[in-house]
Amino acid sequence: DADVTQTPRNRITKTGKRIMLECSQTKGHDRMYWYRQDPGLGLRLIYYSFDVKDINKGEISDGYSVSRQAQAKFSLSLESAIPNQTALYFCATSDLPSGRDTQYFGPGTRLTVL
Amino acid sequence: GENVEQHPSTLSVQEGDSAVIKCTYSDSASNYFPWYKQELGKGPQLIIDIRSNVGEKKDQRIAVTLNKTAKHFSLHITETQPEDSAVYFCAASIKGGNTGKLIFGQGTTLQVKP
Repeated sequence: DADVTQTPRNRITKTGKRIMLECSQTKGHDRMYWYRQDPGLGLRLIYYSFDVKDINKGEISDGYSVSRQAQAKFSLSLESAIPNQTALYFCATSDLPSGRDTQYFGPGTRLTVL
Repeated sequence: GENVEQHPSTLSVQEGDSAVIKCTYSDSASNYFPWYKQELGKGPQLIIDIRSNVGEKKDQRIAVTLNKTAKHFSLHITETQPEDSAVYFCAASIKGGNTGKLIFGQGTTLQVKP
């Protein structure tokens, strides 16, 4: 969905490095999410934010941090990357006023930690 | 905690046949159940959703059924085509509706053979 963009699309890094993944959206949605996808495990929630001042941990937040710089921007950081953080990462948004839980996903970032 | 189980993990059908993917959920307060399709190299895209006040919903060749008593819901694709080949995810809202959080199944890789 072109309304949700993620950068970079692919990244290879080394153990111990700090990495930032960025997400921007033009949908005007208040809610933003970061997920991790691993084969056979589906999508697991890392962090979510319901507005600029509201940040919440998901089910697998250890080793990650986030920053909501503006309504349209939500960044995910790996302070010290480790190999088991190798995965596909997705950002998503949803629209609070609509009363729906439908989430709209970006194209993903493939991260490899060596 | 809340859980969504999805079966099968892989499904192979001949073009023109039907495909069925099943999910069960644990949170009795869940009331929103979306299905997402993920094509290779892309983020998940919503294809159909259903709310708990409806037992079945159809959109052309796809349909979703919900059994709240048994806490399971299913995706049905009829007259499958090669372009239906993708990974499909079911999801359920957590702790009722409009919480902004979904829990996803493990995914089903559907292959439609020409």
